[in-house]
Amino acid sequence: NAGVTQTPKFQVLKTGQSMTLQCAQDMNHEYMSWYRQDPGMGLRLIHYSVGAGITDQGEVPNGYNVSRSTTEDFPLRLLSAAPSQTSVYFCASSYGTGGNLGNTEAFFGQGTRLTVV
Amino acid sequence: RKEVEQDPGPFNVPEGATVAFNCTYSNSASQSFFWYRQDCRKEPKLLMSVYSSGNEDGRFTAQLNRASQYISLLIRDSKLSDSATYLCVVKGTGGFKTIFGAGTRLFVKA
Repeated sequence: NAGVTQTPKFQVLKTGQSMTLQCAQDMNHEYMSWYRQDPGMGLRLIHYSVGAGITDQGEVPNGYNVSRSTTEDFPLRLLSAAPSQTSVYFCASSYGTGGNLGNTEAFFGQGTRLTVV
Repeated sequence: RKEVEQDPGPFNVPEGATVAFNCTYSNSASQSFFWYRQDCRKEPKLLMSVYSSGNEDGRFTAQLNRASQYISLLIRDSKLSDSATYLCVVKGTGGFKTIFGAGTRLFVKA
């Protein structure tokens, strides 16, 4: 049982390049989300999904796209990388949805350290 | 004003000390609350949920004060291995929107 798997762990991009950060979970969780973590800012929600085919914007969605074609996968796309997107990115998944707040522990991937030069 | 605010610290305490962290949240409709722990350059992991009546897990005690909109984490008998960043997490209406505080850094020294 791998949990949440993120790839790559490290990436350096040039300004204007595009790339996709991969995230996969094998726990059959409905809820998946992407965060970025910057010093002093905590984790900020980029996009999230409550199930296959359903995505929504979080706090800082500009410059990022997501899709959720399967329950397992939730890739994050940077369309045209900018230095302001230099950050550590975390994917998370959890079981709870809607009114079910009981078992809503979020499991995180190991993170992707992205540098845009 | 940030939706979730924490004292960034760092808190420097000797082994065996008791240390407490507070976290305030702005949305009175927030429904569930958690403390996560994050080690240096690692992903966050759930430390404990916070229940209305307060709850304890070994050396850790979490409390919620809905009237004043804050949660707290108390660590007793600190260990070197408790050195980490502690993140306050608040879930909004419907359970979908999850907001993280910026974290409080704790250093426990021998």
